[in-house]
Amino acid sequence: EVQLVQSGAEVKKPGESLKISCKGSGYSFTSYWIGWVRQMPGKGLEWMGIIYPGDSDTRYSPSFQGQVTISADKSISTAYLQWSSLKASDTAMYYCARGYAGAHDAFDIWGQGTMVTVSS
Amino acid sequence: QSALTQPASVSGSPGQSITISCTGTSSDVGSYNLVSWYQQHPGKAPKLMIYEVSKRPSGVSNRFSGSKSGNTASLTISGLQAEDEADYYCCSYAGSSTPVFGTGTKVTVL
Repeated sequence: EVQLVQSGAEVKKPGESLKISCKGSGYSFTSYWIGWVRQMPGKGLEWMGIIYPGDSDTRYSPSFQGQVTISADKSISTAYLQWSSLKASDTAMYYCARGYAGAHDAFDIWGQGTMVTVSS
Repeated sequence: QSALTQPASVSGSPGQSITISCTGTSSDVGSYNLVSWYQQHPGKAPKLMIYEVSKRPSGVSNRFSGSKSGNTASLTISGLQAEDEADYYCCSYAGSSTPVFGTGTKVTVL
């Protein structure tokens, strides 16, 4: 079965760092783009960035450039999203998703989501 | 990159057809036949319903169809069912950066 499994919910304080993960299985991890999507409470979906694990080609949405870092470890079929200094406004659900048919215009397999809560 | 514009809500009775619009610009929707649509039920991850403007992934009901004219894409749900009540998001390829989502539409089945 093709699936993406994300790491569990996190509760952090402002200023702390965080790295969440997204593990792919059931397919060739290096041959498909992985994207990260933010959904703030009660709000819509926002693309944060995408990465091609095969060569680590990474692209960020202008809104998130410099705010987060996206990476991947193809040896363990895992993509990551990390923050160096969290803010309360980073409180959101974060989804990873796989690019459909090797492209990055549509995403067919989604992780279950990781809820990140940042509060003092 | 600005979000694509969708109506906040659309409603219809069971069996009816509804259409959700998604308006972008000549830099995204208007330049590429790479519009996708996602369905999201409360508390769930999004689900791909349409890709490349009008193609359906395996397993998606043929009651869902997509089209595009100029800078506006549309999703039509025919034979509306209670299970179609959800949020719907369009998404467009926008060049070398990331794709861009629409603002989202809440579909209510009356």
